Amino acid sequence: DIQLTQSPSFLSASVGDSVTITCRASQDISSNLAWYQQKSGKPPNLLIYGASTLQSGVPSRFSGSGSGTEFTLTISSLQPEDFATYYCQQLKSYPLTFGQGTRLEIK
Amino acid sequence: EVQLVESGGGLVQPGGSLRLSCAASGFTFSDHYMDWFRQAPGKGLEWLGRIRDRGSAHTTEYAASVKGRFTISRDDSRNSLYLQMNSLKTEDTAVYYCARPHDASWTGAYFQYWGQGTLVTVSS
Repeated sequence: DIQLTQSPSFLSASVGDSVTITCRASQDISSNLAWYQQKSGKPPNLLIYGASTLQSGVPSRFSGSGSGTEFTLTISSLQPEDFATYYCQQLKSYPLTFGQGTRLEIK
Repeated sequence: EVQLVESGGGLVQPGGSLRLSCAASGFTFSDHYMDWFRQAPGKGLEWLGRIRDRGSAHTTEYAASVKGRFTISRDDSRNSLYLQMNSLKTEDTAVYYCARPHDASWTGAYFQYWGQGTLVTVSS
């Protein structure tokens, strides 16, 4: 199975800050990575697919980069609605796996 | 508009069974793969399995944690997806989500469409 390790697991930041979350894969997954945002009691919301393609309707302050085994999600100029938990997911092979999540909280 | 609505969750005793349903609308259900995920309270997301479309003979894939206990099926005439869960354990307590991948390719395997989830509680 492909393991995904996100860092950090917890992040505290202020409105207006820029933050970066890293996702490392245990083997090469090319660009087959997606990022999701999840708020309490809601299903995940797709942000990025193909490692760097912004899903339609997602604000441009979200961006993704990387390929192979190292990926990043950057949120520039944090807004109040961005405080949530973020997950990466590999879409290279079965079983589909997620990172453990990064909880982003307001400082 | 694509809609996925899960149902069938509830309280079940350890060792019991439950069948979840996912009603789909807003797209040609028979043309798409469908997946099940779950999320235990306070925990991360876990993929459970996939059922392919009619063109792929409705073949399935499962996570090791549920293989042999859970069965994914579909009824394209009813636009419905199912998750039959047997031999339930307390650690199966979670919110269960159905979701539709964008398309059948690996590059299109991301999940834009999710249901709202149904809670399954396994407890005596």
